[in-house]
Amino acid sequence: RKEVEQDPGPFNVPEGATVAFNCTYSNSASQSFFWYRQDCRKEPKLLMSVYSSGNEDGRFTAQLNRASQYISLLIRDSKLSDSATYLCVVPPNSGNTPLVFGKGTRLSVIA
Amino acid sequence: DGGITQSPKYLFRKEGQNVTLSCEQNLNHDAMYWYRQDPGQGLRLIYYSQIVNDFQKGDIAEGYSVSREKKESFPLTVTSAQKNPTAFYLCASSIGGIGQPQHFGDGTRLSIL
Repeated sequence: RKEVEQDPGPFNVPEGATVAFNCTYSNSASQSFFWYRQDCRKEPKLLMSVYSSGNEDGRFTAQLNRASQYISLLIRDSKLSDSATYLCVVPPNSGNTPLVFGKGTRLSVIA
Repeated sequence: DGGITQSPKYLFRKEGQNVTLSCEQNLNHDAMYWYRQDPGQGLRLIYYSQIVNDFQKGDIAEGYSVSREKKESFPLTVTSAQKNPTAFYLCASSIGGIGQPQHFGDGTRLSIL
């Protein structure tokens, strides 16, 4: 199993819709996860951290499902400005190496 | 303002030339990283460093070199051995170690002339 997998999308949704992305990971001992947002031709920016209890920040909710080894990002009431690529970041499978970035899920919110 | 500064924003390389991309951070972060991103693709790790005077290869280190002589600086050299260097290069840093979330500079776009 790959360390991290994301559906690349694109997810095309109308304004105001609720959309959710999943990200699967392979290291069952993982404790902390992160979601980043990357706009076109820009650097990734940290959106949310995800711990065992999940996390909510306004319209964004991140949750962890340990049994099935995936994390999710839910966006409610989508705005045009939410259009971006969302990267999932997970701990590596082996030893003392950096966090692993998923390839991202592209979201387009349409008026 | 604390942050990560990458320079230059755009860089052009001639065939057979080495070029160096600068990355400086004033966040007092311990770990620093270099990634390459090709159009429409994910991030690929080139090198990372957890402490001064120490660094490790990432997934695609061939054709690249780094140094970490100061905590705040982690320059990347793209050597002539890197045959396809055209990409978006991102530097990042994290506090406390490589298991912590990373904060990115705004990148350098490198193109071949």
